[in-house]
Amino acid sequence: DTGVSQNPRHKITKRGQNVTFRCDPISEHNRLYWYRQTLGQGPEFLTYFQNEAQLEKSRLLSDRFSAERPKGSFSTLEIQRTEQGDSAMYLCASSLGGMRELFFGEGSRLTVL
Amino acid sequence: GEDVEQSLFLSVREGDSSVINCTYTDSSSTYLYWYKQEPGAGLQLLTYIFSNMDMKQDQRLTVLLNKKDKHLSLRIADTQTGDSAIYFCAASETSYDKVIFGPGTSLSVIP
Repeated sequence: DTGVSQNPRHKITKRGQNVTFRCDPISEHNRLYWYRQTLGQGPEFLTYFQNEAQLEKSRLLSDRFSAERPKGSFSTLEIQRTEQGDSAMYLCASSLGGMRELFFGEGSRLTVL
Repeated sequence: GEDVEQSLFLSVREGDSSVINCTYTDSSSTYLYWYKQEPGAGLQLLTYIFSNMDMKQDQRLTVLLNKKDKHLSLRIADTQTGDSAIYFCAASETSYDKVIFGPGTSLSVIP
């Protein structure tokens, strides 16, 4: 297994367009997390799943954001009607329930023009 | 909710020790972590400490926890140029809970 995979690595879009990011976690990991990171800041928690259940959503996650993990494997993060303030690196991490280490992907960078 | 603070920059000479400091606000944080992020790479867990411990040592890394002051530090002995990276302090209430990260400390090692 090669670790957590995120696609696309970089997305440039115009304001108002919808974008979707995909995360493939490490295969046996049942927990999956989405974070957002802007320049000079640490990762900000957005949401996380245990298997297919979405357990918590941050207040940062406006109604334009939706995340799914339909079969408890890969996850998608969709941003509708993108705004320039959505420009950031979107990080996905996975873990094996009860284990303390999060394994991060390399991130998907979003640029909204 | 939890808030984690760190100084943003640290510069040390190769061979010296580096000490990166962190404070957190939520006394119910049970697990405290140090993650490392190298340019263009994902975050990697360096080490963690459970709140009932005062110290943890792992090769060149020493973590000190002052639970009363909610202060965590990471000491890197014999700092090398390869240690140049951003170091994130993080906290969680349980091993199942979300992890809250600080803003990161950018460590520069001068040859």
